[in-house]
Formats: sequence, C-alpha cells, structure tokens
Amino acid sequence: SQKIEQNSEALNIQEGKTATLTCNYTNYSPAYLQWYRQDPGRGPVFLLLIRENEKEKRKERLKVTFDTTLKQSLFHITASQPADSATYLCALANAGNNRKLIWGLGTSLAVNP
Amino acid sequence: NAGVTQTPKFRILKIGQSMTLQCTQDMNHNYMYWYRQDPGMGLKLIYYSVGAGITDKGEVPNGYNVSRSTTEDFPLRLELAAPSQTSVYFCASSYSRQGGNYEQYFGPGTRLTVT
Repeated sequence: SQKIEQNSEALNIQEGKTATLTCNYTNYSPAYLQWYRQDPGRGPVFLLLIRENEKEKRKERLKVTFDTTLKQSLFHITASQPADSATYLCALANAGNNRKLIWGLGTSLAVNP
Repeated sequence: NAGVTQTPKFRILKIGQSMTLQCTQDMNHNYMYWYRQDPGMGLKLIYYSVGAGITDKGEVPNGYNVSRSTTEDFPLRLELAAPSQTSVYFCASSYSRQGGNYEQYFGPGTRLTVT
C-alpha cells in the first residue's frame, strides 16, 4: 500500500542544536516533495520544495535532502531557536498525478531555551 | 495581497443543518483545494478545482459539495451536517506551471463543530 510517514513522536531539542525530521514514503514515485510548517490554530505555511532529481536544497537555516533510493527526505533546521517550535509536515506530489499533494501526519518540534 | 481568506472562523451547527464555508484568493491561482484536518489525522483532501467550472473529488468528498464559478472563489457546502464533520477546514490555492503545481497557500481555517 502507499504510505507517507513522519516521526510520530515529538522531537525536543535544545536551542542552538540542529533538528532533523524524517519523511519516508512507500509505493510512490514523487515528482517533488515539499515541507510545510504549521503553528497551532493556523494553516500550513510552505517552506521548501525539492524535486526528484535534486539531492539537497537550502534556504537560510533550513536544509532538505531527498534520497529516492532510500525513499526518504530529511529536513534540517540548524542553530534552532524556540521560535522554530511548530509541527512540520511533508507532502509529496506523485509523478503523473501532481495535481494533488499526499500529506504526512507531521512531526511536532519543541526547541527548549 | 490578502492571500487566501476563509469565513467564518468558527461555527457551531446542529445535526442536519446546512452551511457554506467561503474561500477567496486574490493571487490569480488556478488551483484551489479544500482540506479537513482532524487531531492526529493529518490533512485530508475533500475536493479540488483546476480552474473555474472544473472540480474533482479528493479522498473524503462524501457529505460535501463544491462549485467554482470564478477564479477567486471556491465555496464548500455541507448538506445535512453530521457529528463526523466536526473538524478544522482549510482552503488552499496554488499556481500550476509546466512541470506541476508548486507550493500551496493556505487560509486561516474554519473550526466547525456539529452537535
């Protein structure tokens, strides 16, 4: 069956450390994968997109990697800050049907001062 | 730009009542989406539209209807509300370009309770 999975357990880290969140998928052929941030009571906000032929993308303190052999994307926040505390969602667009995104359940990140 | 706006923010419905959730975007996006998000369940696609006059079902369309008469507006209609429709509803839009649709822009959500 097709699945997209993120760490179900909340991630707690100390301020200044690097947070690494995982997104795994099975039985999809992604055209691209996106990461979003969602704060409580708000809609998701787009962060980064990485295509299936890209290995890594960066934006300020954020980095996304994409390994189509492992069927995995990693999302890194370096020099984390308490303001980075939120739920992070991954979503993929399947090749041949990229009108819709398939969403993971999200991983909650708490950055402690 | 206001982005994606949704009304109302909150609503309580009685079982069997009907209502329309409004969604408007001012970014001239051709694609629009309706999701529901239940605690611990992630975003589920209800309906989506690739342009004015064109709509299609998502994963969980039962109990809902949509229309898209303009590029800007994509209302979601609930007929005969049921407790199972208690959820937070998000509207989103995106711009399709060659190679696919990219980032989705979300509204602030409507929190609906059916009792």
